[in-house]
Amino acid sequence: NAGVMQNPRHLVRRRGQEARLRCSPMKGHSHVYWYRQLPEEGLKFMVYLQKENIIDESGMPKERFSAEFPKEGPSILRIQQVVRGDSAAYFCASSPVVAGASYEQYFGPGTRLTVT
Amino acid sequence: AQTVTQSQPEMSVQEAETVTLSCTYDTSESDYYLFWYKQPPSRQMILVIRQEAYKQQNATENRFSVNFQKAAKSFSLKISDSQLGDAAMYFCAYRSSPYGGSQGNLIFGKGTKLSVKP
Repeated sequence: NAGVMQNPRHLVRRRGQEARLRCSPMKGHSHVYWYRQLPEEGLKFMVYLQKENIIDESGMPKERFSAEFPKEGPSILRIQQVVRGDSAAYFCASSPVVAGASYEQYFGPGTRLTVT
Repeated sequence: AQTVTQSQPEMSVQEAETVTLSCTYDTSESDYYLFWYKQPPSRQMILVIRQEAYKQQNATENRFSVNFQKAAKSFSLKISDSQLGDAAMYFCAYRSSPYGGSQGNLIFGKGTKLSVKP
């Protein structure tokens, strides 16, 4: 059973460009979480999605950031007009749903975004 | 809001010895989950051990065990017979119970960097 996949693993963008980060959850998992890890910090929650639905985006910056999880295909975290402060590692985690509740989260390898 | 605190930015242990990493948390909830994750230089987040708050028995996974003190809101990780491969960042994380309407996102501490000396 393949794990959570993220691509690209490394992404370099110039200031003002757009960054698109992709996450394919584990097979059978319908919930996806995105986290951001700044240097020397722990992971911080950004957004929680189900297929075609954003459940909780309370950790997402109000501007320039958006996320989606379409019916078909991977979840996408999109950052428009990137700035140096967006440089971080972005992790995706997926979770199965049992009896209506989300349980263990399995993490992907992360995407390291560098803004030059 | 819940918070997780790891007061030891760095720790060091001799190979084959035992080390304990500290974690405290703050919550007003009675039902929740606690986790320890390991992040080696590859940056992959690996689940080490998990504890349900309603369980009094401390969780154990091979050389890894926890000391869960619910009243003190403390959740320390003990690594026995330390190995060179244990060297990594270790993160303590909190998660509300999914049955309380929580969305289930993890709240992480800032981490403890563990070095293992041969």
